Parts: sequence; structure tokens; C-alpha cells
Amino acid sequence: DSGVTQTPKHLITATGQRVTLRCSPRSGDLSVYWYQQSLDQGLQFLIQYYNGEERAKGNILERFSAQQFPDLHSELNLSSLELGDSALYFCASSVAWGVGYEQYFGPGTRLTVT
Amino acid sequence: GQQLNQSPQSMFIQEGEDVSMNCTSSSIFNTWLWYKQEPGEGPVLLIALYKAGELTSNGRLTAQFGITRKDSFLNISASIPSDVGIYFCAGLIQGAQKLVFGQGTRLTINP
Repeated sequence: DSGVTQTPKHLITATGQRVTLRCSPRSGDLSVYWYQQSLDQGLQFLIQYYNGEERAKGNILERFSAQQFPDLHSELNLSSLELGDSALYFCASSVAWGVGYEQYFGPGTRLTVT
Repeated sequence: GQQLNQSPQSMFIQEGEDVSMNCTSSSIFNTWLWYKQEPGEGPVLLIALYKAGELTSNGRLTAQFGITRKDSFLNISASIPSDVGIYFCAGLIQGAQKLVFGQGTRLTINP
């Protein structure tokens, strides 16, 4: 158990809908990262937050947004969902922002768009 | 974007054999991380490397940070069935602020 929690574990929704994925980082970690993993693909970095502020952006679509709250949990919002958004979404956390900090991953949310 | 070349893409071995996989890049890295992912689960951190030439072990796993800072390898000795999974390397490129992941090595073990 990495100490990172994600809810829900599974999510099935229809095209055009909007969903919210939630992540709680490990105790003491200030940085949260979101990744997308499509079937048999590697991990694609989406976005990073540190202590409530956005720090780095990857290949995140405009239909997707995220935020980190004062209690350090984070939410990833996916809107106008398309079939191609079906994937595993992982949250990771690390103690700080910057060089060399190990990232610990949560169990993921499997999103299926029908 | 920055690329990590991880090889091999897949391995089929017999139980008890040793395994070796590596990641290379044209970029210089400050950090190398090795993860293992099992189906439907999140990646689990196995080993972290922070200095060129560093050699670190975690049980039967050994990883090294290449001297040129452009590569890293992971060895698994005396493989067992629970070693099955996908192994990812990840690196922090000098001057960058986000990890770059390799495409993974899928390990299958025949008992």
C-alpha cells in the first residue's frame, strides 16, 4: 500500500458526460501528479500540483482540468467525454516539488466511456 | 518530446533465470526510478537512483545509474512467478520538472 488513495476504483459513463476523479496523497506529501494510461500504453503525464498551485503541465486536454485543495487532496475533472478517454487514471504524490523526489502511485481509477 | 527507450519490450523466461532490462536516452538525467506494475494496479516504486554510477539493490533487484547519466539498467536475479508484471523506468531530465516514463518491459515467467 503506497498510502495514496483514489476514488472511485471504477467508473462507467456515457460520451458527453462529465466525471470527477479524486485523489488523497500520502501523509506529508505536498505534490500531486495525474497520469493517464491507455490500454497497453505507457504512462502519460497530465498535470502536477504543489501545495495548491499548478506546477507543471503535460499532455492534458482542454476538456480536462484539475485542482488541489487546502487539505491537499486533488480532483481531476474530465468533461465532454469521448470514447478515447477510456483509460486508467493514476494519481501520484511526492514529498515536494522539484528535482529528485520519488513519486508514489495510487491504485488508479478505471474509466470506461460507452 | 523527450524520449526514453526501454528494452526489451517483452521477455519470456523460465523461472530461476536472471533478467536484465535497460533504458537509454539522448538526454542527461538527474534521477532514475524503476517501477513495477501488475494488471489493473498502480505502479509500485522498486528502486530510486540519484547519482551517476550509483548501484542500488532491493532484494533480488539491482539497478544502476549509468556513468554517462543517459541510461540505467535493472537486473532481477533468480526470477520467481511473482516477478511477472510490467517494469517501467522513469527519469527526471536535467533542467526539467516532470518525470519521463519508458514504454515498459513486460515480463512473463514460465514455471
